[in-house]
Amino acid sequence: DAGVIQSPRHEVTEMGQEVTLRCKPISGHNSLFWYRQTMMRGLELLIYFNNNVPIDDSGMPEDRFSAKMPNASFSTLKIQPSEPRDSAVYLCGSRRGTGELFFGEGSRLTVL
Amino acid sequence: AQSVTQPDIHITVSEGASLELRCNYSYGATPYLFWYVQSPGQGLQLLLKYFSGDTLVQGIKGFEAEFKRSQSSFNLRKPSVHWSDAAEYFCAVGGDSGGGADGLTFGKGTHLIIQP
Repeated sequence: DAGVIQSPRHEVTEMGQEVTLRCKPISGHNSLFWYRQTMMRGLELLIYFNNNVPIDDSGMPEDRFSAKMPNASFSTLKIQPSEPRDSAVYLCGSRRGTGELFFGEGSRLTVL
Repeated sequence: AQSVTQPDIHITVSEGASLELRCNYSYGATPYLFWYVQSPGQGLQLLLKYFSGDTLVQGIKGFEAEFKRSQSSFNLRKPSVHWSDAAEYFCAVGGDSGGGADGLTFGKGTHLIIQP
């Protein structure tokens, strides 16, 4: 079975550009999570969805960040405009109910 | 608010020696507890989880963890480490507030170094 699929794996962009990260959860999973991972702050929960509905976006750092889940098989995390401090690994995870949270391999973002 | 503390940023263990990684949590209700491992450039892989029942849980790769409610701890153990166990280990806590599965709160991680 395919796991959580994230794209792109690596993204290098310049400050001010728009960045879109994509996530395909595991089929049948009804919850999706976006995390940001940095050395300084560790793993931070940005937002999560249950049944495609955003439940808690209190971790989204600023209005420059937005996330959508238009259907059960796709989610995006958008940063506009991007800044160097947004450089991080962005991890997407999915789960069914309170079961195991499976993670993708992450998208490493570098903003110059 | 929920939180997880992993007091050891780095731990160095000789191959074949035993291992214990510490985790303390704060959670307002009955917690669900997890240990994940992350190898460089990879995502997170679940080692084990505790939801209820037996407080000693077995996981993959020979790991186990013990839930101690009185100490708010969920320490990870392995009787004999292998060089391939070198990685970053994360403890996490979560629950279900009734609106569906909540997000997990992670500790800052413990970097495990294995000496030959």
